[in-house]
Amino acid sequence: GAGVSQSPRYKVTKRGQDVALRCDPISGHVSLYWYRQALGQGPEFLTYFNYEAQQDKSGLPNDRFSAERPEGSISTLTIQRTEQRDSAMYRCASSKGVTSGGASDTQYFGPGTRLTVL
Amino acid sequence: AQSVTQLDSQVPVFEEAPVELRCNYSSSVSVYLFWYVQYPNQGLQLLLKYLSGSTLVKGINGFEAEFNKSQTSFHLRKPSVHISDTAEYFCAVSALNTGFQKLVFGTGTRLLVSP
Repeated sequence: GAGVSQSPRYKVTKRGQDVALRCDPISGHVSLYWYRQALGQGPEFLTYFNYEAQQDKSGLPNDRFSAERPEGSISTLTIQRTEQRDSAMYRCASSKGVTSGGASDTQYFGPGTRLTVL
Repeated sequence: AQSVTQLDSQVPVFEEAPVELRCNYSSSVSVYLFWYVQYPNQGLQLLLKYLSGSTLVKGINGFEAEFNKSQTSFHLRKPSVHISDTAEYFCAVSALNTGFQKLVFGTGTRLLVSP
């Protein structure tokens, strides 16, 4: 079946503009995660959802960043008033959900959105 | 908080040679451990994971890793690499105090396999 998809794959914007990045998880996956990966670094956690509920947003760098998943499927990560330091690869992942035993399901990653802020 | 250290940013190796990619972690609570691979222009793909049980974990494409709690390590190994193994490899942990939901990644090791 289809994997995690993200759009757009590339986004170039000017400083001060707002951007919205979209993630379409694997069908039926309960949990959805957002990560940010700077050049030469590993992915860094931003936030995650179980169904439509945002469970942890501790990784969002500041209040310009927000995420939503209103119907428990597609999610949007929005960055307001973009700055050059926001330039990075933004990765989305999804998983089946936490089992009753607490074991973590495998997170399946999408191809990412490369954001460049000029 | 948890952290992951991948000391080798780049590992060059000849085809059919063995390889070991090192990963050390730091955590005061129980962790799960993962290795992901990233091919060019693709998303991260899970190679293998350690949750519990046997400390030697086998994954896809002939890779294996060994969990060593006393040394807080989870090194990745392959006895004979192929050109197609050229990629970036990320070690990651998730921890009990975050419900094992949040992955913390290392900075990655680029494996370069040459003929």
